[in-house]
Amino acid sequence: GAVVSQHPSWVICKSGTSVKIECRSLDFQATTMFWYRQFPKQSLMLMATSNEGSKATYEQGVEKDKFLINHASLTLSTLTVTSAHPEDSSFYICSARTTGLRQPQHFGDGTRLSIL
Amino acid sequence: AQKVTQAQTEISVVEKEDVTLDCVYETRDTTYYLFWYKQPPSGELVFLIRRNSFDEQNEISGRYSWNFQKSTSSFNFTITASQVVDSAVYFCALSDYQTGANNLFFGTGTRLTVIP
Repeated sequence: GAVVSQHPSWVICKSGTSVKIECRSLDFQATTMFWYRQFPKQSLMLMATSNEGSKATYEQGVEKDKFLINHASLTLSTLTVTSAHPEDSSFYICSARTTGLRQPQHFGDGTRLSIL
Repeated sequence: AQKVTQAQTEISVVEKEDVTLDCVYETRDTTYYLFWYKQPPSGELVFLIRRNSFDEQNEISGRYSWNFQKSTSSFNFTITASQVVDSAVYFCALSDYQTGANNLFFGTGTRLTVIP
C-alpha cells in the first residue's frame, strides 16, 4: 500500500517551455502533498507543501510564479515549471501523506527534468 | 534549528560485510521523529523506518538494524551481510513531533556501494 506515482519519469525540453509534472497517490487519499528538488549528489530540498483544495505554501527562496502547484483532488497534485531554463534542470520528487499530522510521507519515483 | 549530519559521503564495502551508516542530529524540540530513507539508482525514495524520540529501543528488521542514542543525538543504521542490492544513497531525516512528517529535514545522504 501507500503508492505514489509520478509522471513523467524523465523529460527533456527546450528553454522557455513550461513543463507539468504529475504526482498521484494510487491507493490512499493524500490530504497533503510535498514537492522537493534534488540536485546531483545533494539532499532533498523542500520546495512547497500543498493541502488539497488550498494554495500551496512555498519555502523561502522558491518562486511561486515559477513553480505553480495545484492540488485539486485528494489523489493528484501537479507542479508546473513555467518558462523553464537550464538552471531549472533537476530531479523533482513529490511525496504524499494522508490525514493526520503524524502520518509518514510516501515518495514518488521522481522526475528528471533536463532543460536544453 | 533542525539539522541532520551524515558525515560519511560515500562508503564501499564488499558483499557480505556489515556496514554502519552514521546519523547525528540537532534539534531544540524535546519530542521529534527520526527517519531513514533509501534512494536506489532509479531515484525513488523508499521509506525504511520512523522512530519517535520517546522510544530508544533499538530496532531490527531482517538485515537492517537501527541504534538510537538520545544521549549522543545519533540514529545509526547498520546493514548486516550487505548485498549488491543494498547499493543506494541512504538519507537520515528529522521532523518535529507536533507537525509529524510535515517538515522533513534531510541529511546530505551517504552513498553506499556494495562490491560483489
